[in-house]
Amino acid sequence: QSALTQPASVSGSPGQSITISCTGTSSDVGGYIYVSWYQQHPGKAPKLIIYDVSNRPSGVSTRFSGSKSGNTASLTISGLQAEDEADYYCSSYTSSTTVVFGGGTKLTVL
Amino acid sequence: QVQLQESGPGLVKPSETLSLTCTVSGGSISSHYWSWIRQPPGKGLEWIGYMYYSGSTNYNPSLKSRVTISVDTSKTQFSLKLNSVTAADTAVYYCAGETPTGGYSWLTWGQGTMVTVSS
Repeated sequence: QSALTQPASVSGSPGQSITISCTGTSSDVGGYIYVSWYQQHPGKAPKLIIYDVSNRPSGVSTRFSGSKSGNTASLTISGLQAEDEADYYCSSYTSSTTVVFGGGTKLTVL
Repeated sequence: QVQLQESGPGLVKPSETLSLTCTVSGGSISSHYWSWIRQPPGKGLEWIGYMYYSGSTNYNPSLKSRVTISVDTSKTQFSLKLNSVTAADTAVYYCAGETPTGGYSWLTWGQGTMVTVSS
């Protein structure tokens, strides 16, 4: 299975909004609602921030939102804060009943 | 709340078997899916496989021939075995538990354990 495609890096200034894309196929992202997003700070375990395309786990800031159109899912972070600087990964269930991750995106807060 | 803790050797010799255990505390292992995920140094996340508490499993096709994930419900543990390891298997290995509503998203994570494959 091929990894989902994410931009290697994105950046934004405090207070701005940024969007990270995650492109797959009709056999994964496009075919299911089971798309999730994870935030990972250096040396830490990943943290789930979005599941089922657009749902936030309890305790996750409302500044994080998710959406999907066709084979591409998106994570938007509004009101960027310094603490948002981290790596972000998308993930999807697939038609082979497996799970696939994206390559990851490094977010830099300028 | 559910907590996970990985345990196992930090150093494995090439061609040998990597064995890790994940202990589940603060909740029941007898529900939902449980997964192993790894991250080579400086690289991204790679899904290894998941299992349902009943014992059914599903694996990453690229690792399927070498991987076994199993559960011990009496000990509230599940384990990972990866045989015939090479340097490419050097990574931080995480165990993770599924979001209670399901959906193959991983809400609860262990802290991760670094495994180095070297002679």
